[in-house]
Amino acid sequence: QVQLQESGPGLVKPSETLSLTCTVSGGSINSYYWSWIRQPPGKGLEWIGFISHSGDTNYSPSLNPSLKSRVTISVDTSKNQFSLRMNSVTAADTAVFYCARVGNYKRIDYWGQGTLVTVSS
Amino acid sequence: QSALTQPASVSGSPGQSITISCTGTSSDVGGYNYVSWYQQHPGQAPKLIIYAVNNRPSGLSNRFSGSKSGNTASLTISGLQAEDEADYYCSSYATTDTLLFGGGTKVTVL
Repeated sequence: QVQLQESGPGLVKPSETLSLTCTVSGGSINSYYWSWIRQPPGKGLEWIGFISHSGDTNYSPSLNPSLKSRVTISVDTSKNQFSLRMNSVTAADTAVFYCARVGNYKRIDYWGQGTLVTVSS
Repeated sequence: QSALTQPASVSGSPGQSITISCTGTSSDVGGYNYVSWYQQHPGQAPKLIIYAVNNRPSGLSNRFSGSKSGNTASLTISGLQAEDEADYYCSSYATTDTLLFGGGTKVTVL
């Protein structure tokens, strides 16, 4: 059974960098695509982007330009992990961040439990 | 690309059937049979309930069914139960090799 676990700071100061890591267990990261999704408190899901094991990335075109330019997704196959970096964060970036696997038929078949990141001084 | 359009809320009485729509464009919902639906209870991660328009993951109740016509996909919950009260999100693959989510629908069991 594939499991995903997000890790990283729960509190980030404005203008600093948010860094999260997702550890995949019960399966290899060397197949499928791996994704980050965020959900601001009380709001809907927003797909951020995904990455393949070889490092090919694609980011959501509906991200507003200011977010798109601040986001980087990377992968470390030796550790079976992938990561999200978001720089110059503001309070508007406060959200629950989920890591997830994009399986066949472009379905998100495995999700992490989610981690709340609050941007505040 | 904009998010897919879902009604903000849908309600029904126990035992009834309800349908949630998810409207996109020919570049996403209408162009691919890669529509998925997710159920999210408060404080929990979303859970896949329908994929590839009308397929259920193994072990999932057959009270959930999906369909698509043109640029609009639909999720039907039959025999509504109290445990079905949750938020529901649709998702579609799009021509830009990306995924889009709907804005979410809150289902209330009266």
